[in-house]
Amino acid sequence: QSVLTQPPSASGTPGQRVTISCSGSSSNIGSKYVYWYQQLPGTAPKVLIYNNDQRPSGVPDRFSGSKSGTSASLAISGLRSEDDADYYCSAWDDSLSGWVFGGGTKLTVL
Amino acid sequence: EVQLVESGGGLVQPGGSLRLSCAASGFTFSSYDMHWIRQPTGKGLEWVSGISTAGEIYYRGSVKGRFTISRENAKNSLYLQMNSLRAGDTAFYYCVRGGDTGYDYWGQGTLVTVSS
Repeated sequence: QSVLTQPPSASGTPGQRVTISCSGSSSNIGSKYVYWYQQLPGTAPKVLIYNNDQRPSGVPDRFSGSKSGTSASLAISGLRSEDDADYYCSAWDDSLSGWVFGGGTKLTVL
Repeated sequence: EVQLVESGGGLVQPGGSLRLSCAASGFTFSSYDMHWIRQPTGKGLEWVSGISTAGEIYYRGSVKGRFTISRENAKNSLYLQMNSLRAGDTAFYYCVRGGDTGYDYWGQGTLVTVSS
């Protein structure tokens, strides 16, 4: 299983707000920046959030990130059909001396 | 335009070896950390190895002693030598740039299949 824990699935209807959680420990999320990636079917992942809550240029402000203690969250507001994708959280882990990912959350827009 | 193009994937028997290459263009290769990230078909992302601009190298535990990452800045190239391959190494392998905003550019991936 993954070092970071995400729910395997989430869903929402267009226009709704959805939140995806990512749980870790003091050696990763608790002391390091969290990153979020979106992977559309058949494509390579794309960074959505860096440094816990920062959006790269070009990422809509419907996407937001937050962190508290050893957990992080990705929120998507104004859900759209094109948000139907897999979402992964990631962080550096001091104990493992390596990067770790969550298992991924499949978001379905109903 | 930033481009990362992987090559070298294929079918190999358990215990065999493969060398992946990644040709980078469109940016100053020597100024960025580089990584290999893999994804078994239908499964999640796994960070495999990374090499910093200063040559610091890191591996995930399951590949330590079997995989070797290297870079050749003069050729704008990243490599991954994979030895003693196991069925569990079967995956798409992505060459990824580590930028200020995270893994900001990804290659298209190359498939490694370990099977007899």
